[in-house]
Amino acid sequence: ELKVEQNPLFLSMQEGKNYTIYCNYSTTSDRLYWYRQDPGKSLESLFVLLSNGAVKQEGRLMASLDTKARLSTLHITAAVHDLSATYFCAVPNSGGGADGLTFGKGTHLIIQP
Amino acid sequence: SQTIHQWPATLVQPVGSPLSLECTVEGTSNPNLYWYRQAAGRGLQLLFYSVGIGQISSEVPQNLSASRPQDRQFILSSKKLLLSDSGFYLCAWSAHGYEQYFGPGTRLTVT
Repeated sequence: ELKVEQNPLFLSMQEGKNYTIYCNYSTTSDRLYWYRQDPGKSLESLFVLLSNGAVKQEGRLMASLDTKARLSTLHITAAVHDLSATYFCAVPNSGGGADGLTFGKGTHLIIQP
Repeated sequence: SQTIHQWPATLVQPVGSPLSLECTVEGTSNPNLYWYRQAAGRGLQLLFYSVGIGQISSEVPQNLSASRPQDRQFILSSKKLLLSDSGFYLCAWSAHGYEQYFGPGTRLTVT
């Protein structure tokens, strides 16, 4: 059974600081997804990582994937309040992903002025 | 471009009542369709997925069922709701196993 673990589950940080969210998964996968969820809203796709060593950056967020270590990271640089949200990583249940995703429990990120 | 719709947006139902949630996708053909549930303050749980009309796979045994009567329509149903069915129900689509795109969700409260 595929397990996806995120840490930390809760993170309070100050604006301007850097931090990293970690996502570990238990079975082989060559792809991983990061989503953002604002309170009361649906999920918004942030990054699609499709191979070992993949790195994607969007503004102050950068995601990477190490398929050998079964680890993905989401790095936040010089955090701003607008990045406050819950972040989820997700891994396909099978290689093709047609049978859905398994999500981590999410990291609730609060960025304070 | 593709869009995904869900309705209703919110629903309050008594225990034991029936349920029908609808999801439709526009702008694509033969998508994979998914139902997820997010309980309060928790992660997402895959409930059902469908790779074609009339093809439904269930991930979690429960009192819910799903149907796909048309290529771009996915329906989640229950004959009798339980308190534990409360949550945020999200429909998603993908182009055959790639990135999933989520609808706006239905917030269900069972009283």
